Amino acid sequence: EAQVTQNPRYLITVTGKKLTVTCSQNMNHEYMSWYRQDPGLGLRQIYYSMNVEVTDKGDVPEGYKVSRKEKRNFPLILESPSPNQTSLYFCATSGPKAYEQYFGPGTRLTVT
Amino acid sequence: AQSVTQPDIHITVSEGASLELRCNYSYGATPYLFWYVQSPGQGLQLLLKYFSGDTLVQGIKGFEAEFKRSQSSFNLRKPSVHWSDAAEYFCAVGARGGSYIPTFGRGTSLIVHP
Repeated sequence: EAQVTQNPRYLITVTGKKLTVTCSQNMNHEYMSWYRQDPGLGLRQIYYSMNVEVTDKGDVPEGYKVSRKEKRNFPLILESPSPNQTSLYFCATSGPKAYEQYFGPGTRLTVT
Repeated sequence: AQSVTQPDIHITVSEGASLELRCNYSYGATPYLFWYVQSPGQGLQLLLKYFSGDTLVQGIKGFEAEFKRSQSSFNLRKPSVHWSDAAEYFCAVGARGGSYIPTFGRGTSLIVHP
């Protein structure tokens, strides 16, 4: 079954404590991306990756890092989380031209 | 750069009534167009897409959308809404050149009254 998995699904942390949200896909897709979803703002892209070792900034990259060492994994790293990064985060994947995206179930992050 | 506008933040309909969710885009040429649905507590799921050809496209769950180039619109429709259609709906636009990365609208929340 085609799947995009994210872990953890829920996370409460404190300001400044580094965290990583993992994303994994089993569809052998080149393209992966991270979005955050906030009320009234819809989905905003944080980072995307067109293939292994190729990443680029989306619309709201400040405060985030990513890496793409393997095709199936695309972790999102918050080196020093702040309360304004409290949000719902989605990982997505698609084939080579990002035509149709498959989304993970989301990670709800709260930074206090 | 492309952009998407969903003018309605919330839409309320009665079960069994027809539905139309509006989407307007800005792009210099014909874009790729998508509608996604997000059920409560879930990720987004693709409902339908338009790449080229017939401007009326059919999707899953009985939804359809019509691409109107003259109006830069891609409105989503359903003839008879079911209570299970209550969800957040996102229109998205993808550029035909470059990286094809889609831009999402802010979403329309559909409320269905029994």
